[in-house]
Amino acid sequence: QQQVKQSPQSLIVQKGGISIINCAYENTAFDYFPWYQQFPGKGPALLIAIRPDVSEKKEGRFTISFNKSAKQFSLHIMDSQPGDSATYFCAAPNTGTASKLTFGTGTRLQVTL
Amino acid sequence: NAGVTQTPKFQVLKTGQSMTLQCAQDMNHEYMSWYRQDPGMGLRLIHYSVGAGITDQGEVPNGYNVSRSTTEDFPLRLLSAAPSQTSVYFCASSFQQWGTGELFFGEGSRLTVL
Repeated sequence: QQQVKQSPQSLIVQKGGISIINCAYENTAFDYFPWYQQFPGKGPALLIAIRPDVSEKKEGRFTISFNKSAKQFSLHIMDSQPGDSATYFCAAPNTGTASKLTFGTGTRLQVTL
Repeated sequence: NAGVTQTPKFQVLKTGQSMTLQCAQDMNHEYMSWYRQDPGMGLRLIHYSVGAGITDQGEVPNGYNVSRSTTEDFPLRLLSAAPSQTSVYFCASSFQQWGTGELFFGEGSRLTVL
């Protein structure tokens, strides 16, 4: 059974600041690590994902950094905006079968003016 | 495009009642799954299916049944509802059979069991 530990549980960042959310996983047979973004009253939606033939992936203001030896990956949101206020979930495939995607417990991000 | 459609959006049940949460997708995805979301617990996988006629258990399957008779539909059945099943339920689908592709989520079904 895969466990994914996500921190912090909540985060308050000023507009223009950098938001950093961290995740650690145990083991996985498949290298695929997505981040999902969820707004209140909505379902989660894929924000960015990495397949770690690289250690970093950047899409606009969002960057995933991956450390395979430490079994950790993180989401960095540069120039955070009030519209980024949402809950963020990391995820990792289960060992043995990638059909089971295990999510972290979520980070509630609030970006203040 | 409808994507993943869940019904009902809200439901209140009494302990012991049964009900079915409906999920339909129009993207011809082979992979479908059900998650429940509880405060501080994240999203936990209940059941999943990699194609019509094939289902398997996730990490919290007890108290729930599923079936997959068509590619489009993946209903979740609560046979005898308990207060511990009060939660927000999300159905998700993916074109990638092995869960390593993008999951498309519905908007959720909020269930309260009294």
